Amino acid sequence: DTEVTQTPKHLVMGMTNKKSLKCEQHMGHRAMYWYKQKAKKPPELMFVYSYEKLSINESVPSRFSPECPNSSLLNLHLHALQPEDSALYLCASSRSGGRDDSYEQYFGPGTRLTVT
Amino acid sequence: AQSVAQPEDQVNVAEGNPLTVKCTYSVSGNPYLFWYVQYPNRGLQFLLKYITGDNLVKGSYGFEAEFNKSQTSFHLKKPSALVSDSALYFCAVSRLKAAGNKLTFGGGTRVLVKP
Repeated sequence: DTEVTQTPKHLVMGMTNKKSLKCEQHMGHRAMYWYKQKAKKPPELMFVYSYEKLSINESVPSRFSPECPNSSLLNLHLHALQPEDSALYLCASSRSGGRDDSYEQYFGPGTRLTVT
Repeated sequence: AQSVAQPEDQVNVAEGNPLTVKCTYSVSGNPYLFWYVQYPNRGLQFLLKYITGDNLVKGSYGFEAEFNKSQTSFHLKKPSALVSDSALYFCAVSRLKAAGNKLTFGGGTRVLVKP
């Protein structure tokens, strides 16, 4: 099983709403990632979790709050977003959470977020 | 610092013809290089990677890439393109930072294969 699943597929939220994006993998991977992707642009890294601990935060605004409840799950909590936060949010996982960056990342299909 | 450049925003090729998508990189030390493909409204799919060893790497769906250290390039190739290969292709290089793996992506190249 090389699948990363993400829910929901689409999300429309107002600027005062609170919502969460969910990501799950059952490949035994120890690193999980959140990316933001604008149309026709490469993904931009937001957060990296390694062994369920936050290891990289790419200076993401606090209105985005990640959470890793266990080794298979990754959440992204959203609050007071801005219209410019509308994008495709991708989750990914990779085998190694340690100091080995040779492993490829497996991506989920993404959540298309629209902030109104 | 590391960077990846994909000099072509779009590549057009006729079905059955060879396909090449160009990528050059800049990184200190030995690079780990990756190619991903993205179909519309989908996540990225891993195609192949170069870590060490043979400069010619074979990957999924008939794709291959050649690592050229002197030219700092990692071009993606397919001998005979299919219409279904039409997609957005990203080259990426990894860099170790803290724990985990941080990928730096190129800007992407849109491939259009015409019947």
